[in-house]
Formats: sequence, C-alpha cells, structure tokens
Amino acid sequence: QKEVEQNSGPLSVPEGAIASLNCTYSDRVSQSFFWYRQYSGKSPELIMSIYSNGDKEDGRFTAQLNKASQYVSLLIRDSQPSDSATYLCADTSGTYKYIFGTGTRLKVLA
Amino acid sequence: DAGVTQSPTHLIKTRGQQVTLRCSPISGHKSVSWYQQVLGQGPQFIFQYYEKEERGRGNFPDRFSARQFPNYSSELNVNALLLGDSALYLCASSLHDLQGKDYGYTFGSGTRLTVV
Repeated sequence: QKEVEQNSGPLSVPEGAIASLNCTYSDRVSQSFFWYRQYSGKSPELIMSIYSNGDKEDGRFTAQLNKASQYVSLLIRDSQPSDSATYLCADTSGTYKYIFGTGTRLKVLA
Repeated sequence: DAGVTQSPTHLIKTRGQQVTLRCSPISGHKSVSWYQQVLGQGPQFIFQYYEKEERGRGNFPDRFSARQFPNYSSELNVNALLLGDSALYLCASSLHDLQGKDYGYTFGSGTRLTVV
C-alpha cells in the first residue's frame, strides 16, 4: 500500500524567510507528485506538480524531487503570513487515485 | 468559469440515517473523485468516476456508494451513518488530455458532515 509521510508541524518561519516542506513516499516506482495548500476550514488548492528529478520553479515556489531518496520537497521563498496554511503532498502516480500525506502546518510569523 | 460546486455545505445527521452529497464538476471535466478528510488528516480516496463509469474505489465499506450522471455531476451516498463518518467530504474534478496527462484535481469547497 502506497504511503506518503509528512511531518505534521507546525513549522514556524519568520516573514521573508524560506520555508522548506518535505515529504517521503513509499512506492519506488512513483513518478508524479502534486503539492496542495489548504487554509483552515477550506478545501485544498493546487500549487504545482513535479514529475522529473530535480527542481521546478513557479514564482516563489520551488518543488524538488529526488527519486533515489524517494523524497519530495516544496520551498517557499520570501514567506508571507498569507502563506500560513497546511501543505499537502500527494503521490499522483496511481491510475485513478491520489495518495495524500497528512499535511504540514506552516506558520509564517510577522 | 464556475468551479466545482458541492451541496450542501454543512449537514448534521443522526446515527443510522442516510445522506446524499452532490457535486458538479468544472465544465468539460469528465472525471469526478470523492475524498473524505477527517480533521488533522489528509484526504482519503473514496471513489473516482470517469465518463459515468466507476474507475476505482478506496477502502471504504459498502455503506458508501456513488454515481455519475450523463451531465458528469455526481452523488455520494452514505447509508447507516456512524459517528466516525463525521468529516469533510471533498469532490474533485480533473481534466486529462488525449495523452493521459493529468492536470491535477480542482476541489470543491466540500460538505462538512457531522453525525451525532
């Protein structure tokens, strides 16, 4: 059974710092991952996807995938208080379902 | 453009009752998935429907059922409700291109079900 693991946090960073969010996955053949952001009481919203080893940048966000270590991360540069949310990592390699981690709660301190 | 719409937004039911949750996907999206999210956990897969056919089912009891209609809207039914069914139920629609590329889920705002 595929699993995705995330530290539940909270991860606290000062405003303007880089926030680093991590997840590990169990299935060695998994190839695609999505990061979602979920504000308290709201539904998840898609931030970005990553399919290849290495880095992928989108604005202040950088996703990193290391297939050898089965490790996915999301970096948020210049963190803002509005980035305070729970970040969900999802293994989307299955044919019909996503496997989500429990999420990491990020708190950006003003 | 209308996003994924779910109804109702909140629901309180008594143990043993039945509930029907509704979802309308984004126009043009033929795939609808249902997830259950318990407080403090990530979403757990319940069902996916594509072109009105069930493509997959998660580890949920037979009390959970779903269907997709010709207009691609969907319903999730839960019978004989238990206290443990209290959760946020999320519907997601997604678009796949002809090469099978997945553009990711767009979630609706969810239905918060409380079983008392």
